[in-house]
Amino acid sequence: DAGVIQSPRHEVTEMGQEVTLRCKLISGHNSLFWYRQTMMRGLELLIYFNNNVPIDDSGMPEDRFSAKMPNASFSTLKIQPSEPRDSAVYFCASNNDPNSPLHFGNGTRLTVT
Amino acid sequence: QKEVEQNSGPLSVPEGAIASLNCTYSDRVSQSFFWYRQYSGKSPELIMSIYSNGDKEDGRFTAQLNKASQYVSLLIRDSQPSDSATYLCAVNFGNEKLTFGTGTRLTIIP
Repeated sequence: DAGVIQSPRHEVTEMGQEVTLRCKLISGHNSLFWYRQTMMRGLELLIYFNNNVPIDDSGMPEDRFSAKMPNASFSTLKIQPSEPRDSAVYFCASNNDPNSPLHFGNGTRLTVT
Repeated sequence: QKEVEQNSGPLSVPEGAIASLNCTYSDRVSQSFFWYRQYSGKSPELIMSIYSNGDKEDGRFTAQLNKASQYVSLLIRDSQPSDSATYLCAVNFGNEKLTFGTGTRLTIIP
């Protein structure tokens, strides 16, 4: 089991540029979660999917953020245009049951200058 | 607003002593509870899960759940320097998603 795989590990970009973060779920898992972590706010849930369908996107900060799950094993989180306040570590996590623990990817550290 | 509260620390504990980490949550209907450990620059990793009142032990770790008082705690016995990390409490409020506390930073002093 390769675990949840995220790419890239690090992303440095200039304000106004588009950023795309990628995530591959653990095989057999049917729920995917995107979290953002900062020192000030901790781990915040942005959006989660169940069986490829977005269930709750109330944590998405604003329209600049969008997420897709084109198939059962892959998801993208896009920020367009990016801003310095988007700088954070973005984690993807998955599980196969609402009461089971989440398995996290290694995260993408995003820096927007 | 469903919330999970933790003391941010830092909590300093001598090597070999017991480290006690506490977490309170806002909703009595919460169903599942988890403790994650996060080393600096790394992703959260699961240490313990607990679903019913009482104690659950796994090696040097014990999770304690009291639903009536709405708290969950983590005890680490015989603390080791490698236990130095941030510990995150997470609660499933019955809505398929985990809400995390802001974490407690633990330092084990050799």
